[in-house]
Amino acid sequence: QKEVEQDPGPLSVPEGAIVSLNCTYSNSAFQYFMWYRQYSRKGPELLMYTYSSGNKEDGRFTAQVDKSSKYISLFIRDSQPSDSATYLCAIDEDSNYQLIWGAGTKLIIKP
Amino acid sequence: DAGVIQSPRHEVTEMGQEVTLRCKPISGHDYLFWYRQTMMRGLELLIYFNNNVPIDDSGMPEDRFSAKMPNASFSTLKIQPSEPRDSAVYFCASSPSFRAGAFFGQGTRLTVV
Repeated sequence: QKEVEQDPGPLSVPEGAIVSLNCTYSNSAFQYFMWYRQYSRKGPELLMYTYSSGNKEDGRFTAQVDKSSKYISLFIRDSQPSDSATYLCAIDEDSNYQLIWGAGTKLIIKP
Repeated sequence: DAGVIQSPRHEVTEMGQEVTLRCKPISGHDYLFWYRQTMMRGLELLIYFNNNVPIDDSGMPEDRFSAKMPNASFSTLKIQPSEPRDSAVYFCASSPSFRAGAFFGQGTRLTVV
């Protein structure tokens, strides 16, 4: 079992829909949770960064961490065609730098 | 700031040749990371530096790979000799602190034929 599991998709939704992207992880020591967005032929771009459990909101994006279920989510409200990209989760322990990356979910927003 | 700058953007080379990838991190960032991305393996951390010092190179696949950071504004990743299985996109990223999240460059698409 991989330490971080992420459905590769593609996930195709109509414009304006609420999108839910998810990762599950196996190591309960993980404390730092990040979401990156990667457009085709570009480098990943940091979207959201959360520490421990709870929710964090930034504009149309909400990151949610459920440590009891070892489950993290990224919600996108009012999705736009410009949100079409691959979304990667990245998770880290507290004690040292060993960032574990999900495989990425390809998201397609249809106009 | 122009962000993390990588060169070249594309590199096609023959098996056995030496390849050097270059990176200029964001000024003031103390951490520099080299990643490799492939369809099969996703994003893999190869090595990272803190204040120009290599901290963890456990992700470097073989001795054919080496990385240096002679000063705070420049780093190189060298593959010698290159092999077709090294074909991938190589990213350099920098970060202002240990857990701030990294800023990635545009990547170098390497093809070894």
